[in-house]
Amino acid sequence: GIQVEQSPPDLILQEGANSTLRCNFSDSVNNLQWFHQNPWGQLINLFYIPSGTKQNGRLSATTVATERYSLLYISSSQTTDSGVYFCAVGSNDYKLSFGAGTTVTVRA
Amino acid sequence: SQTIHQWPATLVQPVGSPLSLECTVEGTSNPNLYWYRQAAGRGLQLLFYSVGIGQISSEVPQNLSASRPQDRQFILSSKKLLLSDSGFYLCAWSDRDIPWEQYFGPGTRLTVT
Repeated sequence: GIQVEQSPPDLILQEGANSTLRCNFSDSVNNLQWFHQNPWGQLINLFYIPSGTKQNGRLSATTVATERYSLLYISSSQTTDSGVYFCAVGSNDYKLSFGAGTTVTVRA
Repeated sequence: SQTIHQWPATLVQPVGSPLSLECTVEGTSNPNLYWYRQAAGRGLQLLFYSVGIGQISSEVPQNLSASRPQDRQFILSSKKLLLSDSGFYLCAWSDRDIPWEQYFGPGTRLTVT
């Protein structure tokens, strides 16, 4: 199956700081999702971004499918941004392969 | 808009007891449905997926089974729970045409004692 690697595994930020999370995947895909898992466990869809760049408020994402990576940018981080960020890619048989996640802690 | 519900939110069950977790989706028709398990706060593992009523695909051989009795209802079951079944169970749905854009429910936290 597709291998998905996320970096860094942990990230500690001061409120207001910017950060970049990276997702590398092993095979060519035409889909990629970013999720935020909040402290209550809810997985919240951030972006469905097979390629190109999208922005939603303080978050933006870029996927370069030909080079098999995606980046998630968090700007002006807030304490509510804390949690685990996952990227996931799908293969031909409906499977979503998840990375191990990046745990983000934003300190006030 | 579409919403996905799961219940119960938390469950504590003794080893050897049965299990039934339910997931329902509103606001869409003919969705793909999925059950995932997350252990130790990381790494989601796909357990089952369904592309239609009565159609279940199993990804990991284990002590669990799934059923889809109605178009927007997905049930995860076990006849006898094991300690290793403890975890966070998440249900998800996707549109038939975009199976990899999945939306997740709030999850059920299961502790087997």
